[in-house]
Formats: sequence, structure tokens, C-alpha cells
Amino acid sequence: GAVVSQHPSWVICKSGTSVKIECRSLDFQATTMFWYRQFPKQSLMLMATSNEGSKATYEQGVEKDKFLINHASLTLSTLTVTSAHPEDSSFYICSARDISNNEKLFFGSGTQLSVL
Amino acid sequence: GQSLEQPSEVTAVEGAIVQINCTYQTSGFYGLSWYQQHDGGAPTFLSYNALDGLEETGRFSSFLSRSDSYGYLLLQELQMKDSASYFCAVVSQGGKLIFGQGTELSVKP
Repeated sequence: GAVVSQHPSWVICKSGTSVKIECRSLDFQATTMFWYRQFPKQSLMLMATSNEGSKATYEQGVEKDKFLINHASLTLSTLTVTSAHPEDSSFYICSARDISNNEKLFFGSGTQLSVL
Repeated sequence: GQSLEQPSEVTAVEGAIVQINCTYQTSGFYGLSWYQQHDGGAPTFLSYNALDGLEETGRFSSFLSRSDSYGYLLLQELQMKDSASYFCAVVSQGGKLIFGQGTELSVKP
């Protein structure tokens, strides 16, 4: 089945630093990928839609200058949390849409970010 | 706005049947999906209903009524490993998923 690889699976960083998270579709091309954030015991909240070759579309309330998204190829999208602060500590999950497979969505394994 | 409602928690015993309901209010509805998530893990796809009716996949079934803006996930022959959070999610335009708050299922021996 389709696989989405997300890396790193966990990261600890100091406040003020930037962290990059990668999301790769391993055996299909994904023109669209989605980035979600999940706080403990809460639901997944859509942050942005990443479109290959164009600017990402951010959901209301998500700072585009803080959460930089780049989707430079059909198999890779990256989310960079810039100048991270403790309140950015969360579980970040990507998903990719496989248009060759009934547009099914496949999730990455998630990245647990802890900002000290 | 968009909103989904599902129970926050459900408890059942091994071997039993449990139904998790989901009502939704959204614009641009394309279908209803269900996901399972264990603690610390990513969501796992369970089912997708685009049309009214029941979809069965092994021990899990999912139902949708578009006219009632309602769906449910039915889990049969419950096993301890089914203890997890279950999310209903509306598939919106462009493949976006709008998730409910999740139902924590506890399966007891």
C-alpha cells in the first residue's frame, strides 16, 4: 500500500530555533499534501494545504510566516517551524493525497516537537 | 462554520459491539471518513462513505446518512487492541479533512 514517510519522528529544540519536518510520499506522486497539528488529547487541526509548485494555503489563524511550507517536488513537502517557542510543542502530522488511488489520503507517522 | 460532534468516550467489554455516532455541520461535504489513533501514533484509515448506506470491512462497519448529516462507526467482536481514539472526519473540497474531537474507546476484559 501507499506509504508516507515523515521525518524526524521526534525533535527537541531550544526556544528561538527553527525546525524542519519532511513529508515524503514513497510510492506515489502527491500534488497535494496537508499538514495537521494535534495537541495532547485533542483533535487534529488542519494547518495548511501544500500544493506542488505553488504557495501553500493556510487555515485561518495559522501564521504563514511562522510555519513555512515548501512543496518543491511531487513527493516532498516540508514544514519549517521558525523561531519555535514552547507553545509550538505539539504533534505534527502530514498527509498526502494519492490521485491515482481514488484520491485516498495517507498519513505520515507524525513528528513530536518539544520546544524547551 | 464547520463542526462535528461525537461522544468523548465509550467503554465496552471484549466481544461486545459498540457504535460511535458522528453528526456534522459543514459546507462542501464530499464524504465521511473514520480514523483510528493509538496513543502516540498517527491516524490509521478505517473507512470512507461518500454515499448513503453501510460499508463493511471485516469487524468494522460505517454508515452514512447525508440527509441527516449523520454517520456512525460500528465495531463488532471487540478486542483489547481496539482500545484507541476514533475520529470521524468530513472530507471537504480539495481533499481536506475536518476532524471531530475524537471518541476514546476503552475495551475492558
